Amino acid sequence: ETGVTQSPTHLIKTRGQQVTLRCSSQSGHNTVSWYQQALGQGPQFIFQYYREEENGRGNFPPRFSGLQFPNYSSELNVNALELDDSALYLCASSPGAGRNTEAFFGQGTRLTVV
Amino acid sequence: DAKTTQPPSMDCAEGRAANLPCNHSTISGNEYVYWYRQIHSQGPQYIIHGLKNNETNEMASLIITEDRKSSTLILPHATLRDTAVYYCVRPGNQFYFGTGTSLTVIP
Repeated sequence: ETGVTQSPTHLIKTRGQQVTLRCSSQSGHNTVSWYQQALGQGPQFIFQYYREEENGRGNFPPRFSGLQFPNYSSELNVNALELDDSALYLCASSPGAGRNTEAFFGQGTRLTVV
Repeated sequence: DAKTTQPPSMDCAEGRAANLPCNHSTISGNEYVYWYRQIHSQGPQYIIHGLKNNETNEMASLIITEDRKSSTLILPHATLRDTAVYYCVRPGNQFYFGTGTSLTVIP
């Protein structure tokens, strides 16, 4: 139990739709990172938010966007869904944004795009 | 280059020690090595991390070579519940996961 909660746990969307995934970070953590994990692959970094500002982004198109709120919870938004967006989306919270800071992961949201 | 290299799969007999290797030859001097595991598409679970000294906690031990180019995660008495994908991860400004090692603990 990491104290990081994600919702919903499962979601089915149609190609072209938009989706919002949510993450509540662990108490006292001000940094949230989002990862996409395709079947059989390791998690791939999407972006990180530190104190409500984007603090790094991986190789994902602009239709992947995010938000962090004053309570440090976070949202991941994906527009114009494509079939390849089907994946497990993971949120990780950290007590800071430094290079050697431990991250605690939620259980993920399984997104299926049909 | 934040790449780590791990064998794709390993088996271990229940009750025996599981030794999972990782190569991280381009690691920088102040960069930690983290280990996570993932059980059946749940979120990755933190196991242990270290810089240059060997580390031990209630879950595992981490042995880092003196040149820091490789490390070994040791599960001293593997159980069936340790069957999972194990990731050796370099933090950078993000966590770089490879494809990990799929460990199967055999009864």
